[in-house]
Amino acid sequence: DGGITQSPKYLFRKEGQNVTLSCEQNLNHDAMYWYRQDPGQGLRLIYYSQIVNDFQKGDIAEGYSVSREKKESFPLTVTSAQKNPTAFYLCASRARGANTEAFFGQGTRLTVV
Amino acid sequence: AQTVTQSQPEMSVQEAETVTLSCTYDTSESNYYLFWYKQPPSRQMILVIRQEAYKQQNATENRFSVNFQKAAKSFSLKISDSQLGDTAMYFCAFMGGSARQLTFGSGTQLTVLP
Repeated sequence: DGGITQSPKYLFRKEGQNVTLSCEQNLNHDAMYWYRQDPGQGLRLIYYSQIVNDFQKGDIAEGYSVSREKKESFPLTVTSAQKNPTAFYLCASRARGANTEAFFGQGTRLTVV
Repeated sequence: AQTVTQSQPEMSVQEAETVTLSCTYDTSESNYYLFWYKQPPSRQMILVIRQEAYKQQNATENRFSVNFQKAAKSFSLKISDSQLGDTAMYFCAFMGGSARQLTFGSGTQLTVLP
């Protein structure tokens, strides 16, 4: 079945450690996005990528990094520079085309302990 | 940069009644797309409806319809015959520009009461 998969579903990190969230899609989509969701703040864009080997910062990129070495994969690294990383993270992908909808993964809940 | 504003953090409606969720946006783009997404308690994001800005006709999908006012930069969602399964967080989203950045509002938590 085609879809977008995020792993793990729950992730715990000690302060000062980097952690990488996985996002894989087999929909042959060109564009991929990472969002952070906090209560009362909706979805805020961290990074997005329109094609392989290219990505742009979103509204809250500080403390995060990404790579797009393959079309199917868009991992997000939460670095120790991110001061408040506890949140729900959503990955999405879209096909080429102006009006295509974004498909979302089921999210990763990251907790700093 | 575009912004999306949802001014109703929470709303409730009786089952079988109609409810309207508000959304406004700000952009300098002339060609763009608008979406409503639903996030139930499972937290899975589901597309409800989409609207192309160049189309004057309002989009409809079964019990869901929009009121798109381009000049006012307003994009409200109407849910008719509300059902308990409509209980969810609803997000308005904007996509435009060459970068195709997808921007979301802060969401409206809708509760359908039995």
